[in-house]
Amino acid sequence: DVVVTQSPPSLPVTLGQPASISCRSSQSLVYTDGKTYLSWFQQRPGQSPRRLIYEVSKRDSGVPDRFSGSGSGTEFTLKISRVEAEDVGVYYCMQGKHWPSFGQGTRLQIK
Amino acid sequence: EVQLVESGGGLGQPGGSLRLACAASGFTFTDYWMHWVRQVPGKGLVWVSRINPDGTITNYAESLKGRFTISRDNAKNTVYLQMNSLRAEDTALYYCVRDAAGGLVDYWGQGALVTVSS
Repeated sequence: DVVVTQSPPSLPVTLGQPASISCRSSQSLVYTDGKTYLSWFQQRPGQSPRRLIYEVSKRDSGVPDRFSGSGSGTEFTLKISRVEAEDVGVYYCMQGKHWPSFGQGTRLQIK
Repeated sequence: EVQLVESGGGLGQPGGSLRLACAASGFTFTDYWMHWVRQVPGKGLVWVSRINPDGTITNYAESLKGRFTISRDNAKNTVYLQMNSLRAEDTALYYCVRDAAGGLVDYWGQGALVTVSS
């Protein structure tokens, strides 16, 4: 099975400051079609997860451009350029190349 | 608008069975894989199972094989999760999730809460 490891587990951030979350896969996530099935999800308190980023760096419709994804192979990063109060929640990366699996989650809170 | 509405959650007995259903609307159901993902309140997301668009391919988390069965009725735009031999550790919120390509999950339902207790 592909193990997906996220860090840090908790991320206190001052409003207006940047934030960065790391996601590492135990195997390459590059598919035979050349695509990399790595997505990022945000789960606000009391809500279902919402996809922010797919295929490493493609932002979903309606997602603010302060969110960006990067990486390749087995190492990936979600960055928030300037954290806002509405960004509080838990962030998960997910690999979809093999049996789908999620990272353990990163809880973003305002410092 | 894409909508995924789960039903069938509730209280289940240890060793008993429950069947979850997810009614889909707002998109061409037969173009998409569908998944079930579960989450113990306050904990992380755990993938449970997936099914391909025509229902001929199903996959399960290793720990659940033999107890859970995913199926779909494309005429009713509905995906199901039959859960047998329920255990206390199956207590969780079960989400129905859409997938465009077998690994490209996007929309999530609101979840169905399953509680296994005597």
